[in-house]
Amino acid sequence: SQQGEEDPQALSIQEGENATMNCSYKTSINNLQWYRQNSGRGLVHLILIRSNEREKHSGRLRVTLDTSKKSSSLLITASRAADTASYFCATDAAEYGNKLVFGAGTILRVKS
Amino acid sequence: DVKVTQSSRYLVKRTGEKVFLECVQDMDHENMFWYRQDPGLGLRLIYFSYDVKMKEKGDIPEGYSVSREKKERFSLILESASTNQTSMYLCASSFPRGQAQETQYFGPGTRLLVL
Repeated sequence: SQQGEEDPQALSIQEGENATMNCSYKTSINNLQWYRQNSGRGLVHLILIRSNEREKHSGRLRVTLDTSKKSSSLLITASRAADTASYFCATDAAEYGNKLVFGAGTILRVKS
Repeated sequence: DVKVTQSSRYLVKRTGEKVFLECVQDMDHENMFWYRQDPGLGLRLIYFSYDVKMKEKGDIPEGYSVSREKKERFSLILESASTNQTSMYLCASSFPRGQAQETQYFGPGTRLLVL
């Protein structure tokens, strides 16, 4: 079973709306990272949040981390068609040998 | 900007062929990784390397081997390609930061089809 699991599997919204994706994980972590993948391309790092942080912002992105619930959320505000992509969370945990473990991803479609 | 390049974007091979996938990074990163990505399964780690001539098995190393003769280059080898190795292969690199994994930088991926 995967360390990180995203929810929902797919999300379709209108341009200008906010998009929220969630990630749940199983073990204590050092940090949690979010990546974006445009169709058929490599992954691009978006944001890293450490286990002692609760919230981070980067432009239109807001990430929260709740270590008590072992969950994180990624909020994209005022979405654009260019935000259409797959989004992955990845966790770094000592239990997994300090390697990044990726979830299966959320497919986001932003309709213009 | 960090650049990670992969030798091919698309590759078609026959069953039983030996396949080489090459990855080069230009940021002097110690860590390099090979993943495969399949629909619904996310990224799965095949092999990784924390230094030249060093390699460690990931979660799914069977049927693969790797080579890291130079710091900037990490090669993935399919000794005898099989149809179940048809997949997207992604290379990544990163700096080490103590024991924690920091940001990984990915190449564009190689989509391999084994016939």
